[in-house]
Amino acid sequence: KNQVEQSPQSLIILEGKNCTLQCNYTVSPFSNLRWYKQDTGRGPVSLTIMTFSENTKSNGRYTATLDADTKQSSLHITASQLSDSASYICVVTSGGSYIPTFGRGTSLIVHP
Amino acid sequence: DADVTQTPRNRITKTGKRIMLECSQTKGHDRMYWYRQDPGLGLQLIYYSFDVKDINKGEISDGYSVSRQAQAKFSLSLESAIPNQTALYFCATSDSSSDSEWNEQFFGPGTRLTVL
Repeated sequence: KNQVEQSPQSLIILEGKNCTLQCNYTVSPFSNLRWYKQDTGRGPVSLTIMTFSENTKSNGRYTATLDADTKQSSLHITASQLSDSASYICVVTSGGSYIPTFGRGTSLIVHP
Repeated sequence: DADVTQTPRNRITKTGKRIMLECSQTKGHDRMYWYRQDPGLGLQLIYYSFDVKDINKGEISDGYSVSRQAQAKFSLSLESAIPNQTALYFCATSDSSSDSEWNEQFFGPGTRLTVL
């Protein structure tokens, strides 16, 4: 069964600090991995997409990495802001399927 | 995302009532999905539709039904609501005409349903 595991479940940091969120998956065959940001009370919004041949991709202060051999991804947030407070969801799609597998998310709280 | 709308945004109902949640999109996407989100759990797929004549069950379809009235409209029904269907429900769309394998989904704002 395809699975996506995220850690930590929740994280509290001070504004301006960096943090890294982790995602491990067992989806096979692998097609792509997305990180979504979900603000409280809203639908998820895509931050980055990683394909098999990519190992790093940035979107502003967000940097995603992918190690397809170990089936791990991370999302690094630099110089956190209060607006980064949200749930970050790792989503993996298998090759030939258009149905993604969602992780449970990491809840990030940024304190002033 | 204003391009994907859901109605109602909030609904409180009683056990045994029939409920319909509606989703409309102006993105021109052909694929539509219904998800359920419970606190601490990931999004779970209820039903999905790849075009107007296509309906597929997701991982948790029991107790739910759907109707794809048009390319832009996808409704979710709870025939006889029960308390454990209390959750946040999201509609999403994606576009097969782009590089579909990348499959970015665009989500609506969600419907918070409470079944008493």
